Amino acid sequence: DAGVTQSPTHLIKTRGQQVTLRCSPKSGHDTVSWYQQALGQGPQFIFQYYEEEERQRGNFPDRFSGHQFPNYSSELNVNALLLGDSALYLCASSLMGGGYGYTFGSGTRLTVV
Amino acid sequence: AQTVTQSQPEMSVQEAETVTLSCTYDTSESNYYLFWYKQPPSRQMILVIRQEAYKQQNATENRFSVNFQKAAKSFSLKISDSQLGDTAMYFCAFMKAPVNYGQNFVFGPGTRLSVLP
Repeated sequence: DAGVTQSPTHLIKTRGQQVTLRCSPKSGHDTVSWYQQALGQGPQFIFQYYEEEERQRGNFPDRFSGHQFPNYSSELNVNALLLGDSALYLCASSLMGGGYGYTFGSGTRLTVV
Repeated sequence: AQTVTQSQPEMSVQEAETVTLSCTYDTSESNYYLFWYKQPPSRQMILVIRQEAYKQQNATENRFSVNFQKAAKSFSLKISDSQLGDTAMYFCAFMKAPVNYGQNFVFGPGTRLSVLP
């Protein structure tokens, strides 16, 4: 039973560059949520995708964008990277209307230098 | 907006002893869920226990139990018979009901728990 898969595991980027992070949800799940976890802090909600549309968004600038594909996988894109974007990015998948059942991935550690 | 507070940045406990982690939250919602998640060095968030706000009975899962005080907006986690594998970051989290209809988690800042041999 495949859980949530995130790639890459680690990434180093330069300020001003753009980055794409990827998430494959758990088998049977159709909803993907992204969270940013800065060092020493709790995860902060970025946005959620369902049926290939952004359904909810947290308090993040529009430099953060995403996409969901027909196979339910998702991408998180961050443009014009800032040093403050350095964080662990977590993906969580679930089944809309399926009751409780969230599965988290192990995250992508992004370092902006 | 909901907020979750964890006032203990770090705690330690001797193996086999009991420890309690604190969590308070603020919300105007009447129906919601509360969770404790564990994040070991592997970074994956693992569900420890969850509590439905409409249930008065405190949730338990083996060595883990909660003390849910709805009026006080308090949700503490008790770990009994602590084991070395319990060493991790612990996050308290809130979610509006109904879960899984487009809701998102609101996490606290976490408590780093170290279980000492």
